Amino acid sequence: DADVTQTPRNRITKTGKRIMLECSQTKGHDRMYWYRQDPGLGLRLIYYSFDVKDINKGEISDGYSVSRQAQAKFSLSLESAIPNQTALYFCATTPGQDSLEQYFGPGTRLTVT
Amino acid sequence: AQKITQTQPGMFVQEKEAVTLDCTYDTSDQSYGLFWYKQPSSGEMIFLIYQGSYDEQNATEGRYSLNFQKARKSANLVISASQLGDSAMYFCAMREGIVTGNQFYFGTGTSLTVIP
Repeated sequence: DADVTQTPRNRITKTGKRIMLECSQTKGHDRMYWYRQDPGLGLRLIYYSFDVKDINKGEISDGYSVSRQAQAKFSLSLESAIPNQTALYFCATTPGQDSLEQYFGPGTRLTVT
Repeated sequence: AQKITQTQPGMFVQEKEAVTLDCTYDTSDQSYGLFWYKQPSSGEMIFLIYQGSYDEQNATEGRYSLNFQKARKSANLVISASQLGDSAMYFCAMREGIVTGNQFYFGTGTSLTVIP
């Protein structure tokens, strides 16, 4: 089984709808991250969480919110989706401050029409 | 200023040849880590190699090596003996240290095509 899972894997939604992307991890890591990937722009950080009570905005947090329900779960919400939020979204985890790498989920492809 | 710069949007290499993908970074931290990830057309992000800022030797992982030049703030990825399966997007990334919040930053990527 995958260590970092994301649901849904693909989603098409309409402008103005609320949508939640979920991320779960079985690695026992404290730190979790949400990124979006757009062609030609690489990965940009939306939000990150160093533990359940610690949530931080990333580079492009406007229009998004997050919830860290437990150490293993980190959800990303789009309260009112807009077409320019169409992107590939990745969740990632790291074990701690001196971690060597991030472990990525498989990605969620979101299309807002 | 960009934290990570990848100046090569696309690269081509002949099968079995070596190729270098460029990456420069910008940080004021003394302690940081540099990473390379591969993203095939299927979309997943695959970790390739890591270099710590205090590591004196260049990192190597199989056919991948990281040419770390600290004074120039560059961390180029070298792929030796290219294979068709190496065709993918490659992202350079940096984890800054404690002082600047331990965030990860990614470059815009380089698309590598291996020609048979």
